Amino acid sequence: AQTVTQSQPEMSVQEAETVTLSCTYDTSESDYYLFWYKQPPSRQMILVIRQEAYKQQNATENRFSVNFQKAAKSFSLKISDSQLGDAAMYFCAYSLAPYSGGGADGLTFGKGTHLIIQP
Amino acid sequence: DAGVIQSPRHEVTEMGQEVTLRCKPISGHDYLFWYRQTMMRGLELLIYFNNNVPIDDSGMPEDRFSAKMPNASFSTLKIQPSEPRDSAVYFCASSRDGGHGYTFGSGTRLTVV
Repeated sequence: AQTVTQSQPEMSVQEAETVTLSCTYDTSESDYYLFWYKQPPSRQMILVIRQEAYKQQNATENRFSVNFQKAAKSFSLKISDSQLGDAAMYFCAYSLAPYSGGGADGLTFGKGTHLIIQP
Repeated sequence: DAGVIQSPRHEVTEMGQEVTLRCKPISGHDYLFWYRQTMMRGLELLIYFNNNVPIDDSGMPEDRFSAKMPNASFSTLKIQPSEPRDSAVYFCASSRDGGHGYTFGSGTRLTVV
């Protein structure tokens, strides 16, 4: 079974600074997807960024980027120029690639990192 | 697109009562997932459907939980009888194929007293 580990229950960063959230995962599969989701106090789950395991290039979405290290099974999220609106719980998640085996089988989530933005 | 629509947003019920949570997935999404979120256990997959057919219900905690998807645009999660330990936020999510991301509804906060 796949597992996702987020070792930082809480992180704090000054507004406009850069912060990196860590995530490691365990899988025996070679084709999979990794995601970061943001959950603000409204509790809505918002997709921040996704990475396809077969792509070596790290995904970026504006101020958000990832450092994907497949051999190390590491998938960290970097937030640049942190803003007050970035304050939320951040969840790392894993999904088997839909074309592997029996198809999509849902997301496996880490426990989350609570990100605090200091003004 | 209105996104994934869940109802109700909040539900408070007494122990022993039946509770039904509802979900309308995004049109064209073949996969529908039900998740439960608690402080102790985080986000857990309860059950998922592919083309309206239940594929894996191994996450359903007990026989008191059941889920149906009678058509491509509607799914229900039912708890009967409800217990205080069922108190949680229940999310529905849909996906076209699992690879391009999963879109979540706004969740139902269930409180069983």
